[in-house]
Parts: sequence; C-alpha cells; structure tokens
Amino acid sequence: AQKVTQAQTEISVVEKEDVTLDCVYETRDTTYYLFWYKQPPSGELVFLIRRNSFDEQNEISGRYSWNFQKSTSSFNFTITASQVVDSAVYFCALSEAAGNQFYFGTGTSLTVIP
Amino acid sequence: EAQVTQNPRYLITVTGKKLTVTCSQNMNHEYMSWYRQDPGLGLRQIYYSMNVEVTDKGDVPEGYKVSRKEKRNFPLILESPSPNQTSLYFCASSRDRGHNEQFFGPGTRLTVL
Repeated sequence: AQKVTQAQTEISVVEKEDVTLDCVYETRDTTYYLFWYKQPPSGELVFLIRRNSFDEQNEISGRYSWNFQKSTSSFNFTITASQVVDSAVYFCALSEAAGNQFYFGTGTSLTVIP
Repeated sequence: EAQVTQNPRYLITVTGKKLTVTCSQNMNHEYMSWYRQDPGLGLRQIYYSMNVEVTDKGDVPEGYKVSRKEKRNFPLILESPSPNQTSLYFCASSRDRGHNEQFFGPGTRLTVL
C-alpha cells in the first residue's frame, strides 16, 4: 500500500490564484516525520518543510503554508497568490521513527499560467 | 559549500555493461540514500545507509548494489544494467537516520539501451 498519496497528478492555476496541494499519509507509528520538497523544471530537489507528528501547529512561510491534521492523516500545502516561479513538481514524503526508510508520494505537477 | 555530488550526470550504456554512479557528501552526514525517479511513480528509495558499513534495502533494490566504505561516499553499482533501469537517479544525505532534511545531489540520468 502506498504510504504517501498525492492524488492530484497535475494542477494548473492562473497567476495570483491560491492553490492547495493535497497529501495523505499512512502509518502505524505514533512518531513520524512529514516533508515537502519542490522540484523545479531545472530538476534539483529543494527541501521546503519538515514536521514531526507531535507538532500539529500549522506553519506559514511567506506565501507558503502547511496544514497538518492527524485526524485525517493529511499534510496539505497551500501557495497563496501563486507566481510563475512556483511552477514545479511538489513531493510530499514520510519517514517513520521506527524505521529508516523514506517514502515519497508520486508528486503533483503545478503549472502557474501568467 | 555544503553539497552532495554525483557522477556522471548523464550516462548512456548498453544492457549488461557494469556501471557505477558515484555519490559524495561533504557534510559529515551519517545517513545516505539512493532514489530513482520515474514518471508517475515519484521517487522510490533503492538503498540507504545509516553509517559506514551499514546498508539496507529500500523499496526497489533489485538489480542494484551499494557500498559504504567511507562516510562521505555511497556509490551505486549496476552489475548488469537492463532497460528497465533507465531512470533519473538521486543520491541524498542527512544528518542522522532519515528523519531530518535530506540534501540531494543534482541527479544522474541513466539510459540503458
């Protein structure tokens, strides 16, 4: 079974629109870590955020915000007032305290149209 | 500059010809890992290493070998490459285990004919 599900394969928005990227995870561990990475067209992987399972506080960083809800096993990512530079593939990922593996979702390709 | 380097960046080879993709990090990280990225499948972990001489399988280890003889290096070995190993490969490292931010190399695009 997929441990991290990103159901949205591709999303297109017009510049300045808000967009939310969904991430649903599955784990039996009580301690785990969730991540978001960005992969721009140039191909490198850029770390965006890490949350541990004990910290459900939402995080805001500029135009980016993350909503962590353990009740629904979701860790969604919202970009406010999207810009063309936000066009990228975004990956959600999970690691469990009990193990040492790292699980990525299949990614969401975001295109921001000027 | 803190970084993860991979070589080569691009490689075209033929079925069965052994190859090695090197990975090196200069951050004294304990945890290193290899991933492959394929369209529609995201990144999948091939192997990871918790420290020198400690390696373990990820989700897709078949057809690959790794070694960790030094802390900074974690080469990926394909002893007999096949076309289904055509992919984009990333090496990554993190401070300890896999629970921290991973720093990724630039990627190696491998084509096996």
